[in-house]
Amino acid sequence: KAGVTQTPRYLIKTRGQQVTLSCSPISGHRSVSWYQQTPGQGLQFLFEYFSETQRNKGNFPGRFSGRQFSNSRSEMNVSTLELGDSALYLCASSLQTGGGEAFFGQGTRLTVV
Amino acid sequence: GENVEQHPSTLSVQEGDSAVIKCTYSDSASNYFPWYKQELGKGPQLIIDIRSNVGEKKDQRIAVTLNKTAKHFSLHITETQPEDSAVYFCAASESYNFNKFYFGSGTKLNVKP
Repeated sequence: KAGVTQTPRYLIKTRGQQVTLSCSPISGHRSVSWYQQTPGQGLQFLFEYFSETQRNKGNFPGRFSGRQFSNSRSEMNVSTLELGDSALYLCASSLQTGGGEAFFGQGTRLTVV
Repeated sequence: GENVEQHPSTLSVQEGDSAVIKCTYSDSASNYFPWYKQELGKGPQLIIDIRSNVGEKKDQRIAVTLNKTAKHFSLHITETQPEDSAVYFCAASESYNFNKFYFGSGTKLNVKP
């Protein structure tokens, strides 16, 4: 069974640009969550999608947004990039929403210059 | 919101020794506690989890204990091997309604051959 696939693995963007990251969950999983990982702040929750609906959102500015498609694939968008957005962005896939096992992808390393 | 604290931040043990990592949480509503192992350049890998209705769970060399009254849970690795070297994260989830994990700050485990 294929795991969680995140693309691209690496990205370099310039301040002010926008970026879209993609996540394909494990087959049959309907919940996709996104996390930002930085050395200073650790792993922080961005948002969760379940059946194309955003179920919960973390404490990030509105520049961070996402969506989920009918096949459960999810995208995350960051607009007007700032240097501080440089991080590893991780996607987690779960069979259901609520108290279930979450499996992470390898992440997308975003560098903003 | 939930606050998860993790100790120690670094842990160095000799191969064959045991390693213990401890976490505390603040929200008594938290009911699911997974542990993740993250190797360099990879996403977090779920290694064991425990739910609030269980006090202990074991899987081969890995065990997790939970004390709901004291709001703390611990990861125990016995007979450590060099391949156990990685960063370990504890997490807590506070709701059955959505997948939102609060992570500890991580423990870098170094197993010396």
